[in-house]
Amino acid sequence: ILNVEQSPQSLHVQEGDSTNFTCSFPSSNFYALHWYRWETAKSPEALFVMTLNGDEKKKGRISATLNTKEGYSYLYIKGSQPEDSATYLCAFLYNQGGKLIFGQGTELSVKP
Amino acid sequence: DTEVTQTPKHLVMGMTNKKSLKCEQHMGHRAMYWYKQKAKKPPELMFVYSYEKLSINESVPSRFSPECPNSSLLNLHLHALQPEDSALYLCASSQENWNNYGYTFGSGTRLTVV
Repeated sequence: ILNVEQSPQSLHVQEGDSTNFTCSFPSSNFYALHWYRWETAKSPEALFVMTLNGDEKKKGRISATLNTKEGYSYLYIKGSQPEDSATYLCAFLYNQGGKLIFGQGTELSVKP
Repeated sequence: DTEVTQTPKHLVMGMTNKKSLKCEQHMGHRAMYWYKQKAKKPPELMFVYSYEKLSINESVPSRFSPECPNSSLLNLHLHALQPEDSALYLCASSQENWNNYGYTFGSGTRLTVV
């Protein structure tokens, strides 16, 4: 059974705080690790696709790292803003046939 | 056009009804997907189509029947559903080089079976 775990399940921070979430995934049969941002009533939006061990990606105030040998990825948000409030999902691409398995997500709430 | 469009946005159907969910994209993506999401749970993969052919069926009950009439369209035909099938159904598409590109998702169809 493929298991993708995310922690914490929810997080409440103040505007300006920096925060980070964890995604753990199987270290075998790895093809890629995706991060998505999902705001209520909208579509999940791809943030990063990471494929190489040691990968680091950045998009504005959001960055992510990848460790495929130990099976984890971190997502960092620097200086959280209320508009960052969303559910952040990681997903493990199991094989090149497109089988993308999601974690349960981290729900982030940023208070002004 | 960089969107995946799903219709309808909401659907209420009886257990004896037949209905269809529709998904459309015009990004030239050759892989398309159906996911099911229940409240507080992660999206669960149902089907993968690659070049209009069904490549993955995650042991989905036959009351769900996918169809890919062309490279831009993906349908999910529903028949004799159960109340526990009530969920958000998400469609997605992607480039066929799955390693390098994220999936583009629609906003989903909220299905209620009564």
